[in-house]
Amino acid sequence: AQSVTQLGSHVSVSEGALVLLRCNYSSSVPPYLFWYVQYPNQGLQLLLKYTTGATLVKGINGFEAEFKKSETSFHLTKPSAHMSDAAEYFCAVSGSSNFGNEKLTFGTGTRLTIIP
Amino acid sequence: EAGVVQSPRYKIIEKKQPVAFWCNPISGHNTLYWYLQNLGQGPELLIRYENEEAVDDSQLPKDRFSAERLKGVDSTLKIQPAELGDSAVYLCASSLSMTGTQYFGPGTRLLVL
Repeated sequence: AQSVTQLGSHVSVSEGALVLLRCNYSSSVPPYLFWYVQYPNQGLQLLLKYTTGATLVKGINGFEAEFKKSETSFHLTKPSAHMSDAAEYFCAVSGSSNFGNEKLTFGTGTRLTIIP
Repeated sequence: EAGVVQSPRYKIIEKKQPVAFWCNPISGHNTLYWYLQNLGQGPELLIRYENEEAVDDSQLPKDRFSAERLKGVDSTLKIQPAELGDSAVYLCASSLSMTGTQYFGPGTRLLVL
C-alpha cells in the first residue's frame, strides 16, 4: 500500500523568493516518486520524477526535488519564484515493479500563490 | 508529437442520464489509465489497461461505470446512470512500457444536475 501526504494545502511566496513544497510518502516497496503541476482547467504536467540513482532530481522550469529515504520525503524546491509558477502541485508515488507502469497515488495537492 | 487527447472537454447532464468520455493516448503508448479527480483532491485511479486488457479495475464502480479499449488504442469510459456525486474531472493518461512516466490529457469536466 502507498500513500502521500502534502503538508500545506496553500503556500504563498513572494516573487523571487524560495519555493518549498513538502511531500512525504509511505510505500511498502521501493518507490518511484513524481511531482506534477496543474494549471487551471488543464491536465497534469510532469515536473520531475525519481526512479533510481541520483537522489537530487532536476526538472523543468527550474524545479528540483531530493529523495530522502530516511525521512521518506520528496520535497520540491525552486530557488526563485516566478509569477508563472502559480498553480496546483501534486506529489505522487508508484511502485517500482513493472517499470513503474502502475497506478499513481497522489497527494491532495498544494496550491502555490506568488505574491508580486 | 501530439499529447493525450480527450473529448468532450466539458459535459453537463441531468442525473440518471448516460454519459461517455473518449480518450486517444499518445501514439505507441500501450498503457492507458482513467483517473477521477474530485474538486480539491488529487486524481484517483479508476482503471488501467495494458493494451486491450484491463489489468487493474478494482476502483471502478462496476454497477454504473464501464470502460473499453478496443484494439489497444482509443478508450471510452461510460457512466450509466449518472449521479450527482459523479460531478468531477475525468482524466486520461498514457505511458510507454519501460519508462513508467504517465502523460495526462486535459480532462473532461462533468457536471451532473
